[in-house]
Amino acid sequence: AQSVTQLGSHVSVSEGALVLLRCNYSSSVPPYLFWYVQYPNQGLQLLLKYTTGATLVKGINGFEAEFKKSETSFHLTKPSAHMSDAAEYFCAVRMNGQNFVFGPGTRLSVLP
Amino acid sequence: EAGVAQSPRYKIIEKRQSVAFWCNPISGHATLYWYQQILGQGPKLLIQFQNNGVVDDSQLPKDRFSAERLKGVDSTLKIQPAKLEDSAVYLCASRPGLAGSDTQYFGPGTRLTVL
Repeated sequence: AQSVTQLGSHVSVSEGALVLLRCNYSSSVPPYLFWYVQYPNQGLQLLLKYTTGATLVKGINGFEAEFKKSETSFHLTKPSAHMSDAAEYFCAVRMNGQNFVFGPGTRLSVLP
Repeated sequence: EAGVAQSPRYKIIEKRQSVAFWCNPISGHATLYWYQQILGQGPKLLIQFQNNGVVDDSQLPKDRFSAERLKGVDSTLKIQPAKLEDSAVYLCASRPGLAGSDTQYFGPGTRLTVL
């Protein structure tokens, strides 16, 4: 069965610092890959997704992620953190014909 | 375009009581999901509908949970009777179809507290 790991349940960065949230998946066949953000008391909102083609994917709010097949990874980055980026981030994968599998999430705190 | 609507937003009940949640997906979206999100965890799929048919309910605790999407539009999820461990956020999501790359759109969720 497909699984998703997110290293670090809680990440803290200073405002203006680089954000790096890690995601690894278990499939040997590249799945579709997604990053979602969840603000308190809200549903999940799509940040970006990888389907095919260019391995560096740009999303909303200045986030981007790079698909690395050799590392089975899809890490999320942002060059400069903003206070408004504080939220819970979920990586998700989906194989064609199968359902979405979500990682456990990483809570991002941004310190002033 | 209106998003996925859910109600109620919050519900507090005592164990052994019944509760129902409602979801209205984005217009035209054939695929609808119900997820359970326990505090500190990622969403876990409970059931997936394609139009008014169930595609996957393998993780739905059928002894107490039920869901329906009779007309292929809105959906209800019911718990009867509730247990303490059912305390969670119940998220509804919809997608246009079954294509692998289609994005899921989530509603705001219903936060259930079972006392």
